[in-house]
Amino acid sequence: GESVGLHLPTLSVQEGDNSIINCAYSNSASDYFIWYKQESGKGPQFIIDIRSNMDKRQGQRVTVLLNKTVKHLSLQIAATQPGDSAVYFCAENMGSNDYKLSFGAGTTVTVRA
Amino acid sequence: NAGVMQNPRHLVRRRGQEARLRCSPMKGHSHVYWYRQLPEEGLKFMVYLQKENIIDESGMPKERFSAEFPKEGPSILRIQQVVRGDSAAYFCASSSRVMNTEAFFGQGTRLTVV
Repeated sequence: GESVGLHLPTLSVQEGDNSIINCAYSNSASDYFIWYKQESGKGPQFIIDIRSNMDKRQGQRVTVLLNKTVKHLSLQIAATQPGDSAVYFCAENMGSNDYKLSFGAGTTVTVRA
Repeated sequence: NAGVMQNPRHLVRRRGQEARLRCSPMKGHSHVYWYRQLPEEGLKFMVYLQKENIIDESGMPKERFSAEFPKEGPSILRIQQVVRGDSAAYFCASSSRVMNTEAFFGQGTRLTVV
């Protein structure tokens, strides 16, 4: 399953398939990006981050891709599991401060059994 | 090692009352960040504090909102004379250094103003 466009609030994906969540960021000066996962009633949980001097970074079952030319960020989740159901946020640093993050509106991922 | 602890988890206040939200950072963390999340939206930065110091409060509304992180005890986010528009989830994060991958978020306080 894949979310497309600037913002698609929901993504439904079959268990075992790969998920792609897209995010368009706004600030050309941003040089640090993070993906967070937020489960219902909980705080955001760090998934993976990437600096602007990279265009790809891989973690466990997740890959983040950064395209600075079009200011686009994506999160790929391999072999999506029911536990991956959550809201996913991309965040960018605001200016030169890593601590000051600007979050997108989020994409709700629902995994179908 | 307990995570970032926020309390209360849920808080209901009538318009005009004061709301106090508490955040105990992870052990060894001296950097605290507060974010606000309105329904169906992403988190918005409010303030960054180190022990006894406000480093950046550029995201805080100019009136009614204040934050502190005393030498002893939790960080407090205080909202005076609450209005319905203050209803949101307030999240605190802490880190041992300026926010990076080591920052952890608490579970948030959900404030409802009636």
